[in-house]
Amino acid sequence: NAGVMQNPRHLVRRRGQEARLRCSPMKGHSHVYWYRQLPEEGLKFMVYLQKENIIDESGMPKERFSAEFPKEGPSILRIQQVVRGDSAAYFCASSNTGVITSGANVLTFGAGSRLTVL
Amino acid sequence: KQEVTQIPAALSVPEGENLVLNCSFTDSAIYNLQWFRQDPGKGLTSLLLIQSSQREQTSGRLNASLDKSSGRSTLYIAASQPGDSATYLCAAGWETSGSRLTFGEGTQLTVNP
Repeated sequence: NAGVMQNPRHLVRRRGQEARLRCSPMKGHSHVYWYRQLPEEGLKFMVYLQKENIIDESGMPKERFSAEFPKEGPSILRIQQVVRGDSAAYFCASSNTGVITSGANVLTFGAGSRLTVL
Repeated sequence: KQEVTQIPAALSVPEGENLVLNCSFTDSAIYNLQWFRQDPGKGLTSLLLIQSSQREQTSGRLNASLDKSSGRSTLYIAASQPGDSATYLCAAGWETSGSRLTFGEGTQLTVNP
């Protein structure tokens, strides 16, 4: 069980380019969460998805950011027309249910994708 | 507003010392509280999860407690080791916030040999 896999681990983009971050959840997990960690700040929730559905996107910026979790393949966080303020670590987590009810289904985090915007 | 605060922001202790990390939250109607460890440039590792009906959880040298009435959780680390050096994050979940966790900003722990 490879755990939650995120790629790329490091991504450098120039202002105005697009960034695509991918997350493959743990085997058997159908719930995916994206969090962002800005420099010197804590993790902030962005979006919660199940297969083919966005359940909660209350933490997503209103513009330029989108997320999907297709029936086949990884979840993708897409940032269009990146700006320097988008530079951060983006973490993906997965679980096998939508509510954390016991130690058996805690959130499992990936190692993160670190985006640097020049 | 549901918020999580961790104090201190950084802590440095000599090896072998017992220590306590603090976490406070603003809404006592908490569903669960989770402690994570984050190593530089790495992801988060879940350490302990406490449900709202529980008062504490233990794993090895770690013990986490939850006091809903005072809005506090503590992470106790016994006999600290240099390998414990990392950032420790607490995160709270509330039923009204669905499945998302609200994180504190972390305590950066350094254990000196």
